[in-house]
Amino acid sequence: KAGVTQTPRYLIKTRGQQVTLSCSPISGHRSVSWYQQTPGQGLQFLFEYFSETQRNKGNFPGRFSGRQFSNSRSEMNVSTLELGDSALYLCASSLGDRDRGRADGNTIYFGEGSWLTVV
Amino acid sequence: QKEVEQNSGPLSVPEGAIASLNCTYSDRGSQSFFWYRQYSGKSPELIMSIYSNGDKEDGRFTAQLNKASQYVSLLIRDSQPSDSATYLCAALAYSGAGSYQLTFGKGTKLSVIP
Repeated sequence: KAGVTQTPRYLIKTRGQQVTLSCSPISGHRSVSWYQQTPGQGLQFLFEYFSETQRNKGNFPGRFSGRQFSNSRSEMNVSTLELGDSALYLCASSLGDRDRGRADGNTIYFGEGSWLTVV
Repeated sequence: QKEVEQNSGPLSVPEGAIASLNCTYSDRGSQSFFWYRQYSGKSPELIMSIYSNGDKEDGRFTAQLNKASQYVSLLIRDSQPSDSATYLCAALAYSGAGSYQLTFGKGTKLSVIP
Protein backbone atom coordinates (compact mmCIF):
# COMPACT_ATOMS: atom_id res chain seq x y z
CA LYS A 1 0.00 0.00 0.00
CA ALA A 2 1.52 3.32 -1.06
CA GLY A 3 2.14 5.92 1.62
CA VAL A 4 1.55 9.64 1.56
CA THR A 5 3.29 11.23 -1.40
CA GLN A 6 4.44 14.84 -1.43
CA THR A 7 5.89 16.87 -4.27
CA PRO A 8 8.18 18.61 -4.74
CA ARG A 9 10.60 17.36 -2.09
CA TYR A 10 12.93 20.33 -2.19
CA LEU A 11 12.51 23.82 -3.53
CA ILE A 12 14.08 27.25 -3.28
CA LYS A 13 12.01 30.36 -3.77
CA THR A 14 12.63 34.09 -3.60
CA ARG A 15 10.86 36.44 -1.20
CA GLY A 16 7.60 37.66 -2.64
CA GLN A 17 7.06 34.62 -4.84
CA GLN A 18 4.38 32.03 -4.28
CA VAL A 19 4.62 28.27 -3.98
CA THR A 20 2.25 25.35 -4.40
CA LEU A 21 2.86 22.01 -2.69
CA SER A 22 1.05 18.83 -3.56
CA CYS A 23 0.01 15.82 -1.51
CA SER A 24 -1.51 12.46 -2.41
CA PRO A 25 -2.93 10.65 0.64
CA ILE A 26 -2.93 6.95 1.39
CA SER A 27 -5.57 5.20 -0.69
CA GLY A 28 -8.90 5.28 1.14
CA HIS A 29 -7.94 8.16 3.40
CA ARG A 30 -10.28 11.11 3.11
CA SER A 31 -8.62 13.53 5.52
CA VAL A 32 -5.51 15.49 4.63
CA SER A 33 -3.75 17.77 7.12
CA TRP A 34 -0.86 20.13 6.57
CA TYR A 35 1.80 21.05 9.12
CA GLN A 36 4.74 23.41 9.17
CA GLN A 37 7.84 22.33 11.06
CA THR A 38 10.65 24.66 12.05
CA PRO A 39 13.43 24.09 14.60
CA GLY A 40 12.12 26.80 16.91
CA GLN A 41 8.36 26.22 16.74
CA GLY A 42 8.12 22.49 16.22
CA LEU A 43 5.15 21.03 14.35
CA GLN A 44 2.43 23.58 13.80
CA PHE A 45 -0.96 22.74 12.35
CA LEU A 46 -1.96 24.64 9.23
CA PHE A 47 -5.29 23.14 8.16
CA GLU A 48 -7.22 19.97 7.57
CA TYR A 49 -9.40 19.02 4.64
CA PHE A 50 -12.01 16.30 4.53
CA SER A 51 -14.18 15.55 1.51
CA GLU A 52 -13.03 18.74 -0.24
CA THR A 53 -14.00 20.94 2.74
CA GLN A 54 -11.71 22.66 5.18
CA ARG A 55 -12.64 21.14 8.50
CA ASN A 56 -10.09 22.80 10.76
CA LYS A 57 -7.62 25.64 10.57
CA GLY A 58 -4.58 26.67 12.59
CA ASN A 59 -3.30 30.15 13.41
CA PHE A 60 -1.56 31.07 10.20
CA PRO A 61 -2.05 34.20 8.07
CA GLY A 62 -4.25 34.17 5.00
CA ARG A 63 -1.18 33.84 2.78
CA PHE A 64 -1.40 30.13 3.58
CA SER A 65 -4.24 28.40 1.81
CA GLY A 66 -5.17 24.96 0.67
CA ARG A 67 -7.69 22.88 -1.15
CA GLN A 68 -8.68 19.28 -1.63
CA PHE A 69 -9.88 17.61 -4.77
CA SER A 70 -12.53 14.95 -5.25
CA ASN A 71 -9.86 12.22 -5.30
CA SER A 72 -8.68 13.42 -1.85
CA ARG A 73 -5.43 14.82 -3.24
CA SER A 74 -4.59 18.17 -1.70
CA GLU A 75 -2.55 21.23 -2.46
CA MET A 76 -1.36 24.05 -0.26
CA ASN A 77 -0.31 27.45 -1.46
CA VAL A 78 1.79 30.12 0.17
CA SER A 79 1.69 33.53 -1.44
CA THR A 80 4.05 36.46 -0.98
CA LEU A 81 6.73 34.30 0.56
CA GLU A 82 8.72 35.60 3.52
CA LEU A 83 12.09 34.42 4.83
CA GLY A 84 10.31 33.02 7.88
CA ASP A 85 8.32 30.64 5.70
CA SER A 86 11.43 28.53 5.23
CA ALA A 87 10.46 25.22 6.79
CA LEU A 88 9.60 21.60 6.28
CA TYR A 89 5.99 21.32 5.15
CA LEU A 90 4.40 18.03 6.04
CA CYS A 91 1.25 16.52 4.69
CA ALA A 92 -0.52 13.83 6.68
CA SER A 93 -3.49 11.66 5.87
CA SER A 94 -5.99 9.72 7.94
CA LEU A 95 -9.34 8.00 7.58
CA GLY A 96 -10.83 11.09 9.17
CA ASP A 97 -13.17 9.11 11.39
CA ARG A 98 -14.47 11.41 14.10
CA ASP A 99 -16.20 8.83 16.27
CA ARG A 100 -15.36 9.54 19.86
CA GLY A 101 -12.50 7.52 21.26
CA ARG A 102 -11.48 5.90 17.99
CA ALA A 103 -7.76 6.46 17.82
CA ASP A 104 -7.41 4.30 14.73
CA GLY A 105 -9.78 6.49 12.73
CA ASN A 106 -7.82 9.57 13.64
CA THR A 107 -4.29 8.25 13.34
CA ILE A 108 -2.35 10.37 10.90
CA TYR A 109 0.47 9.22 8.67
CA PHE A 110 3.00 11.69 7.35
CA GLY A 111 4.51 12.08 3.94
CA GLU A 112 8.23 12.68 3.49
CA GLY A 113 7.71 16.42 3.43
CA SER A 114 8.60 19.34 1.21
CA TRP A 115 11.65 21.34 2.22
CA LEU A 116 11.07 25.00 1.33
CA THR A 117 13.87 27.53 1.45
CA VAL A 118 13.03 31.20 0.90
CA VAL A 119 15.97 33.43 -0.02
CA GLN B 1 -4.83 27.09 24.17
CA LYS B 2 -4.25 23.35 24.00
CA GLU B 3 -0.69 22.46 24.91
CA VAL B 4 1.42 19.32 24.92
CA GLU B 5 4.61 19.58 26.90
CA GLN B 6 7.72 17.47 26.52
CA ASN B 7 11.21 17.76 27.94
CA SER B 8 13.35 18.77 24.98
CA GLY B 9 16.31 16.73 26.17
CA PRO B 10 18.66 15.52 25.02
CA LEU B 11 18.00 12.36 26.96
CA SER B 12 21.04 10.10 26.88
CA VAL B 13 20.82 6.42 27.78
CA PRO B 14 23.33 3.59 27.36
CA GLU B 15 22.65 0.85 24.85
CA GLY B 16 20.46 -1.86 26.34
CA ALA B 17 18.88 0.40 28.96
CA ILE B 18 15.27 1.53 29.24
CA ALA B 19 14.53 4.97 27.83
CA SER B 20 11.59 6.78 29.43
CA LEU B 21 9.97 9.65 27.55
CA ASN B 22 7.29 11.76 29.17
CA CYS B 23 4.54 14.07 27.99
CA THR B 24 1.82 16.11 29.68
CA TYR B 25 -1.21 17.70 28.06
CA SER B 26 -3.37 20.60 29.10
CA ASP B 27 -6.76 19.70 27.58
CA ARG B 28 -8.54 17.27 29.88
CA GLY B 29 -10.89 16.49 27.00
CA SER B 30 -8.09 14.92 24.96
CA GLN B 31 -9.14 11.45 23.91
CA SER B 32 -6.36 9.81 21.94
CA PHE B 33 -2.61 10.05 22.16
CA PHE B 34 0.15 9.24 19.71
CA TRP B 35 3.90 8.80 19.73
CA TYR B 36 5.93 9.54 16.62
CA ARG B 37 9.63 9.09 15.98
CA GLN B 38 11.50 11.54 13.77
CA TYR B 39 15.03 10.99 12.57
CA SER B 40 17.05 14.06 11.66
CA GLY B 41 16.07 15.32 8.22
CA LYS B 42 13.14 12.90 7.94
CA SER B 43 9.41 13.09 8.53
CA PRO B 44 7.69 11.73 11.67
CA GLU B 45 6.71 8.07 11.66
CA LEU B 46 4.05 6.59 13.90
CA ILE B 47 5.22 4.35 16.74
CA MET B 48 1.94 3.73 18.51
CA SER B 49 -1.34 5.18 19.72
CA ILE B 50 -3.17 4.84 23.03
CA TYR B 51 -6.57 6.00 24.24
CA SER B 52 -7.35 3.91 27.31
CA ASN B 53 -5.81 4.35 30.74
CA GLY B 54 -3.02 1.90 31.44
CA ASP B 55 -0.27 0.33 29.40
CA LYS B 56 -0.12 -0.70 25.77
CA GLU B 57 2.81 -2.76 24.56
CA ASP B 58 4.17 -3.20 21.04
CA GLY B 59 7.49 -5.00 20.83
CA ARG B 60 10.13 -3.01 22.69
CA PHE B 61 7.77 -0.05 23.08
CA THR B 62 5.24 0.51 25.88
CA ALA B 63 2.93 3.50 25.98
CA GLN B 64 1.38 4.48 29.28
CA LEU B 65 -1.61 6.75 29.77
CA ASN B 66 -2.92 8.33 32.97
CA LYS B 67 -5.84 10.61 32.14
CA ALA B 68 -6.34 11.71 35.75
CA SER B 69 -2.79 13.10 35.79
CA GLN B 70 -2.94 14.14 32.11
CA TYR B 71 0.25 12.25 31.53
CA VAL B 72 1.49 10.03 28.72
CA SER B 73 4.78 8.21 28.56
CA LEU B 74 6.73 5.99 26.20
CA LEU B 75 9.14 3.36 27.42
CA ILE B 76 11.71 1.88 25.07
CA ARG B 77 13.24 -1.34 26.38
CA ASP B 78 16.65 -2.60 25.29
CA SER B 79 17.45 0.75 23.67
CA GLN B 80 19.52 0.58 20.50
CA PRO B 81 21.64 3.27 18.80
CA SER B 82 19.08 3.14 15.98
CA ASP B 83 16.49 4.47 18.46
CA SER B 84 18.38 7.77 18.57
CA ALA B 85 15.84 10.29 17.25
CA THR B 86 13.39 12.93 18.35
CA TYR B 87 10.17 11.55 19.81
CA LEU B 88 6.98 13.55 19.37
CA CYS B 89 3.94 13.21 21.59
CA ALA B 90 0.55 14.26 20.22
CA ALA B 91 -2.92 14.59 21.74
CA LEU B 92 -6.24 14.56 19.88
CA ALA B 93 -8.99 16.74 21.29
CA TYR B 94 -12.27 18.29 20.25
CA SER B 95 -11.70 21.77 18.86
CA GLY B 96 -15.29 22.86 18.29
CA ALA B 97 -17.82 22.83 15.45
CA GLY B 98 -17.65 19.06 15.17
CA SER B 99 -13.94 19.10 14.53
CA TYR B 100 -10.98 17.45 16.24
CA GLN B 101 -7.39 18.65 16.22
CA LEU B 102 -4.08 16.95 16.87
CA THR B 103 -1.64 19.00 18.96
CA PHE B 104 2.03 18.06 19.01
CA GLY B 105 4.68 18.60 21.63
CA LYS B 106 8.04 19.94 20.50
CA GLY B 107 9.66 16.58 20.98
CA THR B 108 12.31 14.95 23.13
CA LYS B 109 15.66 14.17 21.56
CA LEU B 110 16.90 10.73 22.56
CA SER B 111 20.50 9.66 22.21
CA VAL B 112 21.42 6.00 22.80
CA ILE B 113 25.11 5.65 23.57
CA PRO B 114 26.81 2.42 22.31
